[in-house]
Amino acid sequence: EPEVTQTPSHQVTQMGQEVILRCVPISNHLYFYWYRQILGQKVEFLVSFYNNEISEKSEIFDDQFSVERPDGSNFTLKIRSTKLEDSAMYFCASLGHWANYGYTFGSGTRLTVV
Amino acid sequence: AQTVTQSQPEMSVQEAETVTLSCTYDTSESDYYLFWYKQPPSRQMILVIRQEAYKQQNATENRFSVNFQKAAKSFSLKISDSQLGDAAMYFCAYRRSRNNDMRFGAGTRLTVKP
Repeated sequence: EPEVTQTPSHQVTQMGQEVILRCVPISNHLYFYWYRQILGQKVEFLVSFYNNEISEKSEIFDDQFSVERPDGSNFTLKIRSTKLEDSAMYFCASLGHWANYGYTFGSGTRLTVV
Repeated sequence: AQTVTQSQPEMSVQEAETVTLSCTYDTSESDYYLFWYKQPPSRQMILVIRQEAYKQQNATENRFSVNFQKAAKSFSLKISDSQLGDAAMYFCAYRRSRNNDMRFGAGTRLTVKP
């Protein structure tokens, strides 16, 4: 069964550093998403991406965040200057043409900011 | 704004028994999708079951079924013959059909007692 692949599985970074979280969505999917989950809390929407541009973003997705699909396969989330409160599990998800299906989620990247 | 409410932070069930997890949502849309996701300790997000709002028939997937009450905006998950492997966080999620951004409830932690 096709999978969404996220790397790395765990990243530790110092406050103020830039991090790039990587995702390889399912190849024929059209819609791409980033969500985050602070430990013990709900899964929060960050941003959606379609046709090579952001289609919607939440209030969490401020100027410190950016997304890119540089080569038609990878989908990246960049945090320019990490803060302690950015520590969370970050999930990438993709969705194919049939919108009534649920997303396929990656297994997540655990980001720890120290 | 669409909101999803899971009023049960924790539930427990005896192995082989049946348990129902509650979910309500708020929307002014008539066409949308509802989902239940399972998050085991690995923190992978796994789709359990989905329901299209235009369908009156309740979705069923093996031991998992839903009770979809559109007028009441209620979408509960019933797990029959509970197994130890069902222990996880369960998230209810809503998605409009006009865009594909999914919104999650706060989750219910299900414990299965042997």
